[in-house]
Order: sequence, then C-alpha cells, then structure tokens
Amino acid sequence: DTAVSQTPKYLVTQMGNDKSIKCEQNLGHDTMYWYKQDSKKFLKIMFSYNNKELIINETVPNRFSPKSPDKAHLNLHINSLELGDSAVYFCASSQARRGYEQYFGPGTRLTVT
Amino acid sequence: QKEVEQDPGPLSVPEGAIVSLNCTYSNSAFQYFMWYRQYSRKGPELLMYTYSSGNKEDGRFTAQVDKSSKYISLFIRDSQPSDSATYLCAMWEGGADGLTFGKGTHLIIQP
Repeated sequence: DTAVSQTPKYLVTQMGNDKSIKCEQNLGHDTMYWYKQDSKKFLKIMFSYNNKELIINETVPNRFSPKSPDKAHLNLHINSLELGDSAVYFCASSQARRGYEQYFGPGTRLTVT
Repeated sequence: QKEVEQDPGPLSVPEGAIVSLNCTYSNSAFQYFMWYRQYSRKGPELLMYTYSSGNKEDGRFTAQVDKSSKYISLFIRDSQPSDSATYLCAMWEGGADGLTFGKGTHLIIQP
C-alpha cells in the first residue's frame, strides 16, 4: 500500500500554463506539506497545512497555491508557469505534533518549456 | 549564512567500510534532527530522528547530535552497495513548520 502518492509523476508543459499536482496520503495524518527540490537536489519547504493553519514560506510566489479538499489530500495549483518552476515537487505528511516524522511521496517532475 | 551546511560529496568508500556523514547548522531553535535517504528519482525516506543531543542506534545506523557544537552525524557500519544514495540531514523547530534540509551527500559504496 502506498502511504503518500502523487499524480502525475511527470508533467511537461509550456510557459504561461496553469497546472495542478495531486497528493493523497492514507496514513491518517493531519498535516501535509509541499517541498520543491531544485536541479541541485536542494529540498525546500513551500507550504505546511493542517485543517487549522496554512504556513507559507515567504519565498514562494503567490502563483503557487495549496488546496485541501479533505485531510487526506493536498493539491498544488500553479498559475502562469515559468521556466524557473521546473523542479521535482514532493508532498509529505505527518501527525501535527510529530513534524519530525514526515513521510514523502515519490515526487512529481515538472518541466516547463 | 545558510541554515544547514552539508558536504555534497560525492563520497566513495569500499564495501564494508564505516561511513561518516555530517551536517552543521546555525539555528539554535532546532529541536529534532533527522536523516533521510534518497535513491535516484525517488522520494526521501526517513532513516532516523533524534531529539536534542545524544546518540541513537538502529541496526547498522547510528545518529549523533551535539547541540553545543551545532553538529550532527550519521554513521553507517558494514556499508553495502545498496546504501549508495543521497543522504539528507533535516532539522525541525517544532510547531507547524516544515523541515529544513541540508543539500545532501551523495554516497557511493564500491563493491
């Protein structure tokens, strides 16, 4: 059973398009996260979210927005894609007070042409 | 100054050797210290977490934290080719914050 899953695995799109990446976890966790891993493999937090609080990393452009239909899902919407958005995006989840124990999805490799 | 420093490597050692991976950090607010392993084109996998200073052992892996020096280590005993991966240190302040990662060390275990 996959604990944290993401779709799609690969996403190739053109500049200016709007796209979404979906994330689902079946661990019963109540906090979910989005991370961006750049071409140099540096992994950086973008958002953390539970049903009470959304924390946005101040460096994330407002073209990026997380949307959570329920506790098990956290989708990432990206508007007006730019070349610099090309990266691997990882979803993760944890229990609220156990943020040190995060489980990651397999990643979505986004390429903007 | 970057929050978490980690030598990217690559670090190449023969099979069976003891591997030492390290990170330094500057933020005294970090409370938990983690090591993740990431195989190529896969998501990071949590290996171990440690709270505050001290050692923690899990099989061939030992994590060590020295908060006074702001220095953490991961030791791998009897290294295997299957240990070849990128090892990421990560740190957590608490609350709803995400993890702060080092850049990862690419480890190669030669058969």
